[in-house]
Amino acid sequence: RKEVEQDPGPFNVPEGATVAFNCTYSNSASQSFFWYRQDCRKEPKLLMSVYSSGNEDGRFTAQLNRASQYISLLIRDSKLSDSATYLCVVNSLLGSGNNRLAFGKGNQVVVIP
Amino acid sequence: NAGVTQTPKFRVLKTGQSMTLLCAQDMNHEYMYWYRQDPGMGLRLIHYSVGEGTTAKGEVPDGYNVSRLKKQNFLLGLESAAPSQTSVYFCASSFGQDYNEQFFGPGTRLTVL
Repeated sequence: RKEVEQDPGPFNVPEGATVAFNCTYSNSASQSFFWYRQDCRKEPKLLMSVYSSGNEDGRFTAQLNRASQYISLLIRDSKLSDSATYLCVVNSLLGSGNNRLAFGKGNQVVVIP
Repeated sequence: NAGVTQTPKFRVLKTGQSMTLLCAQDMNHEYMYWYRQDPGMGLRLIHYSVGEGTTAKGEVPDGYNVSRLKKQNFLLGLESAAPSQTSVYFCASSFGQDYNEQFFGPGTRLTVL
């Protein structure tokens, strides 16, 4: 099983609609969870961290389900500028007390006018 | 603040040639990372550094070497480039591990013929 799995899509979303997608992770010991956004041919940038209690930032809501080992991202009232790839990121043990971030392949979102 | 910068932005090499990619950050971050991103795959960690003078292997270290002689710089070397190393290379830095945001550079697009 891959460390982080995402359905690459694309997710074609009408402008103003809501879109949601999940990401599953394999390491039950993971403690840190993030969503990064990556625009075409650009670097990834942190969108939001995902906390156990869930968190919301404007039109974006992230949830964590530890029992089923998945995190989710919901985008409400989609804007054209939301078109991007959303990367699910989970920390993973490297050994020797070090950790690394494991990146999913990303969910590609295309907002259609 | 420039954040994380990478040079060069683009490069074309012939098989067997060598080159060095330079990453610089001005945020006084302890941790620095080199990733590669290939189509259909998530970001994969090549090497990382937890402080000046230290380096360690990530998931896909073969064919690459790194050095961290100064805290602000992290160099990635390809001693004998191979077509399989054609990729987009991202450098990132963070204040700490796990719960800390990683800041990415704009990437270097490398083609090995």
